[in-house]
Amino acid sequence: DTAVSQTPKYLVTQMGNDKSIKCEQNLGHDTMYWYKQDSKKFLKIMFSYNNKELIINETVPNRFSPKSPDKAHLNLHINSLELGDSAVYFCASSQDLLAITYEQYFGPGTRLTVT
Amino acid sequence: GQNIDQPTEMTATEGAIVQINCTYQTSGFNGLFWYQQHAGEAPTFLSYNVLDGLEEKGRFSSFLSRSKGYSYLLLKELQMKDSASYLCAVRGEDTDKLIFGTGTRLQVFP
Repeated sequence: DTAVSQTPKYLVTQMGNDKSIKCEQNLGHDTMYWYKQDSKKFLKIMFSYNNKELIINETVPNRFSPKSPDKAHLNLHINSLELGDSAVYFCASSQDLLAITYEQYFGPGTRLTVT
Repeated sequence: GQNIDQPTEMTATEGAIVQINCTYQTSGFNGLFWYQQHAGEAPTFLSYNVLDGLEEKGRFSSFLSRSKGYSYLLLKELQMKDSASYLCAVRGEDTDKLIFGTGTRLQVFP
């Protein structure tokens, strides 16, 4: 009965590799997000999708490519990983982009460590 | 620019009351959210304010003053499990996204 799930929970990889993180929500929400939380715990939006369409791309390097095969899934692919990519990545969803009172539900996070 | 400020850390005693402040400067305003995040876990929604005043939810209350660009989260009857980070987030004129503060780490001692 998990609302927003992410896999994997932990990801350790070397610089230069390509990796993907998957996210799924079973809440029937229209909007999904990717956030990056750095070592100082600052949570920053990266991308937002509404009904499979990209709404926000917050000046993220183009090594990061989100993909939304349907509105319940939003995956994040990262090419040529760098040390600075080490962080916790959170997926989130909300009911309706236009209903701005709705809160966002967060997944458990993926801790990415690049060595 | 857009800026959200919160104290970095606070400590309090079990059973006490604590107030966590948040000041913001954003382009436009369409609501302020408070989230709780325990170490190693996901943020979870606590409260939402869009009009001035106090919103109460059990032991937690949140206050907003739009003219002052100010909010606070009030936690009453503190419990050990309230030890967590508390994140203030604002939805500005770009209603597609939330802008988060750096969070306030609260430690509750017996």
